[in-house]
Amino acid sequence: ETGVTQTPRHLVMGMTNKKSLKCEQHLGHNAMYWYKQSAKKPLELMFVYNFKEQTENNSVPSRFSPECPNSSHLFLHLHTLQPEDSALYLCASSQGPGQGRTGELFFGEGSRLTVL
Amino acid sequence: AQKVTQAQTEISVVEKEDVTLDCVYETRDTTYYLFWYKQPPSGELVFLIRRNSFDEQNEISGRYSWNFQKSTSSFNFTITASQVVDSAVYFCALSGNTNAGKSTFGDGTTLTVKP
Repeated sequence: ETGVTQTPRHLVMGMTNKKSLKCEQHLGHNAMYWYKQSAKKPLELMFVYNFKEQTENNSVPSRFSPECPNSSHLFLHLHTLQPEDSALYLCASSQGPGQGRTGELFFGEGSRLTVL
Repeated sequence: AQKVTQAQTEISVVEKEDVTLDCVYETRDTTYYLFWYKQPPSGELVFLIRRNSFDEQNEISGRYSWNFQKSTSSFNFTITASQVVDSAVYFCALSGNTNAGKSTFGDGTTLTVKP
């Protein structure tokens, strides 16, 4: 199995839809992240979870709602999105506190979201 | 505050040429980590290397080499004898010991290697 798996790979949704992105990591890491990558913009950190607890919310609009039921799974629930939210959403994991963390991230292939 | 600058937005080379990707960073942390990631067209960022601030030894891995210089706050990446498969977006990133789980990324350099 690949280290970090994201589903779906592609998602098209209307502004009134509710959908979710899923991420699963098989690396035994304790930290998980959501990043947003828009065209011509740098990678934007959205959320950080350590040991299932959210430790960072980088001023993300409430229409994005993360969920981390355990250290291996991370979700991003989407509702009433805007066309400007269309982007590649990347999940990543890393060693967490107590694992000798040095910061390297292991990414999934991303979920390409298009909001119509 | 941390900052990573990749001044080269796009680079185009012909296969077998050597190419160097520049990365300059800013941080107030005394201990920090530097990274390079590769993002091929498939989208997944692939971790290439980590460098600790207390280890300035350069590293070579096959056709890849990295030059870390604290005096100039730079962490440059050289690909020797480039190949078409090297075409990707390359990101330099930085994390500090105070927030090792939170990396600051540069804007990326798009490398195109033409046959």
